Amino acid sequence: NAGVTQTPKFQVLKTGQSMTLQCAQDMNHEYMSWYRQDPGMGLRLIHYSVGAGITDQGEVPNGYNVSRSTTEDFPLRLLSAAPSQTSVYFCASSYSMGGVYEQYFGPGTRLTVT
Amino acid sequence: QQQVKQSPQSLIVQKGGISIINCAYENTAFDYFPWYQQFPGKGPALLIAIRPDVSEKKEGRFTISFNKSAKQFSLHIMDSQPGDSATYFCAASSRSEKLVFGKGTKLTVNP
Repeated sequence: NAGVTQTPKFQVLKTGQSMTLQCAQDMNHEYMSWYRQDPGMGLRLIHYSVGAGITDQGEVPNGYNVSRSTTEDFPLRLLSAAPSQTSVYFCASSYSMGGVYEQYFGPGTRLTVT
Repeated sequence: QQQVKQSPQSLIVQKGGISIINCAYENTAFDYFPWYQQFPGKGPALLIAIRPDVSEKKEGRFTISFNKSAKQFSLHIMDSQPGDSATYFCAASSRSEKLVFGKGTKLTVNP
């Protein structure tokens, strides 16, 4: 199993450009999430999905869109990039066992917006 | 409002020493408390987790201590090694796929 994969690993965007961060998992997990990690801020939830066709907002959703057409894929779209979106983005997938959700993280995408 | 407060921000320990990282929470509905370990350039990985029905959980050199009345939990790393140098995150959830993370502690273990 490849686990959770993310592409690209690095990306530089100009302000106003749009792009899609890709995330895929091969563990048949129902739940998938996107986080951003900024220095001294920990991991903050952007959007999450509890299954194909179902998404919801997290703590910091503004400026981002998601969709979940398949169990495997959960892309994150930046609509109009801003310097404040410079961050490291992590995708995670999880499953439920007795109400506990162990999250498996991808390797991250480092995004710089100039 | 920060739901999970983690301290210290950074920690330097000598090889063989004990590393202690503390977290406090407010939401009494939280019932799952994992710790994640993150090495530079990598994604976080689950290290150890505890449910509130026990006060302590040990896995090798890593121990979680949980104090339900004080709404605090901590990670103890015994016999700390240079390979333990990483950033550690505590987290909490309440029967949900949504985890709330602390801000992280950067641990450096000097040889």
